[in-house]
Amino acid sequence: AQKITQTQPGMFVQEKEAVTLDCTYDTSDPSYGLFWYKQPSSGEMIFLIYQGSYDQQNATEGRYSLNFQKARKSANLVISASQLGDSAMYFCAMSIPTGTASKLTFGTGTRLQVTL
Amino acid sequence: GAGVSQSPRYKVAKRGQDVALRCDPISGHVSLFWYQQALGQGPEFLTYFQNEAQLDKSGLPSDRFFAERPEGSVSTLKIQRTQQEDSAVYLCASSSYSGGAFGELFFGEGSRLTVL
Repeated sequence: AQKITQTQPGMFVQEKEAVTLDCTYDTSDPSYGLFWYKQPSSGEMIFLIYQGSYDQQNATEGRYSLNFQKARKSANLVISASQLGDSAMYFCAMSIPTGTASKLTFGTGTRLQVTL
Repeated sequence: GAGVSQSPRYKVAKRGQDVALRCDPISGHVSLFWYQQALGQGPEFLTYFQNEAQLDKSGLPSDRFFAERPEGSVSTLKIQRTQQEDSAVYLCASSSYSGGAFGELFFGEGSRLTVL
């Protein structure tokens, strides 16, 4: 079975600074996908970034980048130039293709607070 | 609509009551997922539909939980004889991808169920 571990319950970062949110995963499947989602107080999960297990380069999407270290089974999210609107819960998730559904397994999340 | 719509946003039920939660996915999306998010936790998979077919219901916690998507669009999650442990946010997500393909999931804002 796959497992996602997020060890930081909460993080603080000053506006305009960069922050790294940690994520480690465990799976024996060679093919998997790694995702980061943002959950603001309104409740919806907002997709941020995706990394495939066979991707050679780290994924980037605007201010978001995923630091993928396959040997260490880590997939940390880096947010550059933090903004007040980045304050939210952040979830790391993994998906294993099963043939019927690529359902996501989520970590417990990290609450990020951006301060002035 | 433009996004995934869920109703009701908030539901308070007395223990033992039946509840029905509705999800209206993005038009044309083949895949539909239900997730349960307990307080302070990440979402956990409940069930998956590909069009009207329920292909995976391995995450449903008990036979009191039932989901349907009769015409391949709107889905309803029904919980019979609610218990306090059913209190959670129920998230619906849809995707244009099906089967084992990795694809972005679009989440609704969730239905927050409180069982007294």
